[in-house]
Amino acid sequence: EIVLTQSPGTLSLSPGERATLSCRASQSVISTYLAWYQQKPGQAPRLLIYGASSRATGIPDRFSGSGSGTDFTLTISRLEPEDFAVYYCQQFGSSQFTFGPGTKVDIK
Amino acid sequence: QITLKESGPTLVKPTQTLTLTCTFSGFSLSTSGVGVGWIRQPPGKALEWLALIYWDDDKRYNSSLKSRLTITKDTSKNQVVLTMTNMDPVDTATYYCADRPRLSYPFDNWGQGTLVTVSS
Repeated sequence: EIVLTQSPGTLSLSPGERATLSCRASQSVISTYLAWYQQKPGQAPRLLIYGASSRATGIPDRFSGSGSGTDFTLTISRLEPEDFAVYYCQQFGSSQFTFGPGTKVDIK
Repeated sequence: QITLKESGPTLVKPTQTLTLTCTFSGFSLSTSGVGVGWIRQPPGKALEWLALIYWDDDKRYNSSLKSRLTITKDTSKNQVVLTMTNMDPVDTATYYCADRPRLSYPFDNWGQGTLVTVSS
């Protein structure tokens, strides 16, 4: 089973700053099968990025994904007030669909 | 417009079996490549994938929970049902269903979730 590790656990930033979130896999993940989700309190997760770098429908271009193999990154170029949330990476290349533990982006 | 909604008991006793239903609209589970999955989230914790069923009735389960899970579909009713046996307080969580619109794509549209509490 592929285990995903996310860092940092919490990222404290101010609106307008750049956020860089890391997702590391215990073994290589095909980029096609790496996704990022955003979750706000009391809400279901929302798909942000699929295929490691493609934005889902309606996702602003301040969100970008990159990476390959075992190291993937979600970048938010300039944080907006609505971007403070928890972010999860997910892999689904094997028959097991695993999520990372999440990174909380909170207001500094 | 695609919507999914979870339904089922909000409270179950330890050792009981949980049955949850996902009722969806806006897509068909008979379309090639389409899948519907279940994911849960204990209060304050991370997401955990549970099971997935495909248009062709192929099924996938979380390996650590496989012995307790069964996923089925009723295409005519646009429903997917998840059963989990031998419930324990650690299974207290919000349970979500979500669609997977095609192979090589992640979970896209999610239901609002339903909180299930396991307590005597």
